[in-house]
Amino acid sequence: DAKTTQPTSMDCAEGRAANLPCNHSTISGNEYVYWYRQIHSQGPQYIIHGLKNNETNEMASLIITEDRKSSTLILPHATLRDTAVYYCIVTKTGTASKLTFGTGTRLQVTL
Amino acid sequence: DGGITQSPKYLFRKEGQNVTLSCEQNLNHDAMYWYRQDPGQGLRLIYYSQIVNDFQKGDIAEGYSVSREKKESFPLTVTSAQKNPTAFYLCASRKGSDTQYFGPGTRLTVL
Repeated sequence: DAKTTQPTSMDCAEGRAANLPCNHSTISGNEYVYWYRQIHSQGPQYIIHGLKNNETNEMASLIITEDRKSSTLILPHATLRDTAVYYCIVTKTGTASKLTFGTGTRLQVTL
Repeated sequence: DGGITQSPKYLFRKEGQNVTLSCEQNLNHDAMYWYRQDPGQGLRLIYYSQIVNDFQKGDIAEGYSVSREKKESFPLTVTSAQKNPTAFYLCASRKGSDTQYFGPGTRLTVL
């Protein structure tokens, strides 16, 4: 699976959009970009994933650049409950692929 | 109520003892996974199983054992051979090539 690079930490004011970047310059054509988050002492929670098109669901939007070498997770109106570690993962599907979690981005949402 | 359950939430073990962590899912998922997480780190794959009565070692299988006698259950045994068993253990499951979903985790502490 391709390696990903994320900032160690970010801050965001409550009610503002949180934009979390991820670099995955060695991504291959059949690899998807997945985002999970982990609130302290809980299991990771799936947020969203995509291949090359932008995706949106009730939790977030995923913007993938045209060359697929980077992506941005957008939480449109961050709340205190969004404080967590956010993981960007690149993986193939169609197999029992493991998910390779790095250290992620620690997002702190403040009042 | 569908989902993945792990028990117990907290587990204490004396050195030299084997201990078994439970993971159950009622999502009719085929594949199940065990990950380990150390403080401030990402998740590392211990074992995974794609179908009943079959499982494969992950990146850090030494000192651990699993069984998959039923589709719904994938227990993990931490043996006395595991040198540093204190960690947060996470179980996940997946149907086909779909997304992996995680349980709430078990925090194991060796006294």
